[in-house]
Amino acid sequence: NAGVTQTPKFRILKIGQSMTLQCTQDMNHNYMYWYRQDPGMGLKLIYYSVGAGITDKGEVPNGYNVSRSTTEDFPLRLELAAPSQTSVYFCASSKGQGRTQPQHFGDGTRLSIL
Amino acid sequence: EDKVVQSPLSLVVHEGDTVTLNCSYEVTNFRSLLWYKQEKKAPTFLFMLTSSGIEKKSGRLSSILDKKELFSILNITATQTGDSAVYLCAVEDLAGNQFYFGTGTSLTVIP
Repeated sequence: NAGVTQTPKFRILKIGQSMTLQCTQDMNHNYMYWYRQDPGMGLKLIYYSVGAGITDKGEVPNGYNVSRSTTEDFPLRLELAAPSQTSVYFCASSKGQGRTQPQHFGDGTRLSIL
Repeated sequence: EDKVVQSPLSLVVHEGDTVTLNCSYEVTNFRSLLWYKQEKKAPTFLFMLTSSGIEKKSGRLSSILDKKELFSILNITATQTGDSAVYLCAVEDLAGNQFYFGTGTSLTVIP
């Protein structure tokens, strides 16, 4: 019963470093999402994907990249880490299929850029 | 610009009280509104609302949508300490397959 799994749970980066946040789901969901959540703020959509090979920008895509080579995996890449990217990152998935389906969230990755 | 606003931002009540959380939205091409509960980690799904005036209910929690006035409420009756959490409202945009989240209402239930 894994659901949506995110790794790592915590990470500290130096300014200018790069890293990839991993997200995998085992529910055969078509749609996957990356959000960031800053203190006292709601979730902001970074990127989303409606299926393997298809990705689209959300509200706050700058400084991030994604890929979706398989249905299960949706990694988020930070190329040049900046302090403004300090946040908690959530990956989510849903069935999609042309009508609203609730999103299932991972437990989040807490990222600090120093 | 699409916007989802939740109120109040935070709320402290005693066990047994009833609370009402509000969510108003301005989203073009509205498709649905969803409520989530977020404790320490991942948000968990509570309700999905697509039609006006139809109450969704689960135990002590209930929710209703008004598409004419563009808002939804989440009611929790006979609150318990386990209800302490941040409650998030999200609205789906039909055109963009995107969800817009409010900042959440932080509920604290005191024994």
